[in-house]
Parts: sequence; structure tokens; C-alpha cells
Amino acid sequence: SQQGEEDPQALSIQEGENATMNCSYKTSINNLQWYRQNSGRGLVHLILIRSNEREKHSGRLRVTLDTSKKSSSLLITASRAADTASYFCATDAEIQGAQKLVFGQGTRLTINP
Amino acid sequence: DAGITQSPRHKVTETGTPVTLRCHQTENHRYMYWYRQDPGHGLRLIHYSYGVKDTDKGEVSDGYSVSRSKTEDFLLTLESATSSQTSVYFCATTSGLTGELFFGEGSRLTVL
Repeated sequence: SQQGEEDPQALSIQEGENATMNCSYKTSINNLQWYRQNSGRGLVHLILIRSNEREKHSGRLRVTLDTSKKSSSLLITASRAADTASYFCATDAEIQGAQKLVFGQGTRLTINP
Repeated sequence: DAGITQSPRHKVTETGTPVTLRCHQTENHRYMYWYRQDPGHGLRLIHYSYGVKDTDKGEVSDGYSVSRSKTEDFLLTLESATSSQTSVYFCATTSGLTGELFFGEGSRLTVL
């Protein structure tokens, strides 16, 4: 079963608007990461937030983490056409007795010019 | 750019044939991973390595084997490819210190 699940699965907004994506997970975590994937490319790390942090910023990105609700959100402010991509959250989970990074299915973001 | 190269980038093969995908890294990262990406499933971990000759299974390891004889190379082998193994395969590495994964560009495999 998925450790992290993103919501919505797809999001389409106008350029300049803010985009918010959510991630829910099931078990306790040490950290949560967000990645971006452009079409046909590999994933690129955006930001990592630790379980004892509540909010983190990186440029136009703002990530929040609510461990009591087992959820995180990624906010992209003042979106640009170049932000069009899929965004994945990843959490550490136990697989075969070892901690590994588990990815959700992603949110496909489309920024319309 | 973490210097991760996957080869081949595209491959079409027939059911029952063996296939080997190669991941080469120049960062001297200790940990290396193979994921597959399929619509509706996101990325799923196949196998991983925590050092030379040290490998272990991920969540979808059936039908796959791996080898790591050098720090820089991690090979994924499909002994007898099946149509269900049609997918995009990604290699990733990490030093383990920050938790950040660095991904290759992917290898698209089609099994007919």
C-alpha cells in the first residue's frame, strides 16, 4: 500500500496563480521530501522537511508538515508555465525490514499561459 | 547534476529475452536504487544497494535481479522479460547524509 498519496491527481491553473498540492501518509516519518518531474525526465529533489519542522521555504516553494494529521502541502506561488510538471511526495517507510523512501503517485500540474 | 547515467535509454525486446539495464554514477554515493514508474502506481522500489556487493529487495523485486561489483555501477537484470515489465526504470543514488535522492533520466523498456 502507498505510504504517501498526493491530492489532487491533476491540477490546472492560470499562470500567476498559486498552486497547492497535498500529501497524506500513513505511518510516522523522519522526514518528507518533495520532488518534481518534467515530462520524460528524471525526478529532481525540491525540498526536504523533517518531522520536527512545521514549515519550510525555498524560493517560490512553501512546504508545511502536520505530523498530527500525517499530511504535508506544497505551495508554489506566482506559478509560471515552466512549473508545469508532476510533483511527488516521498516519505521514509519500512520495506523488508529497512527504512526506504516511498513515493506517492504524484500530482500533475499544468500551468496555462 | 549528480552524474548519473542510465543505459540504454530506450529498449524494445521480446518476451522471454534477458535484459540488463545499467546505472553509472560519478558521485561515489554509497546507496543506489532501482525504481520502476507506471501510470497509477507512481514509483516503486525494485532493489537497492548499500555498498559494493550489498544489495537487497524492494517492494516489487520478483522477476528482477541486481548486481553491484563497483561503487559506480548498479545493474538491473530481467532474466526473462515479460510484458508486465514494460515500464520506465529509474536509477537513483544518495550519499545517505541528506536523504536527498538524485535520479537518472530513466530507461524506457518495452517488452512485446
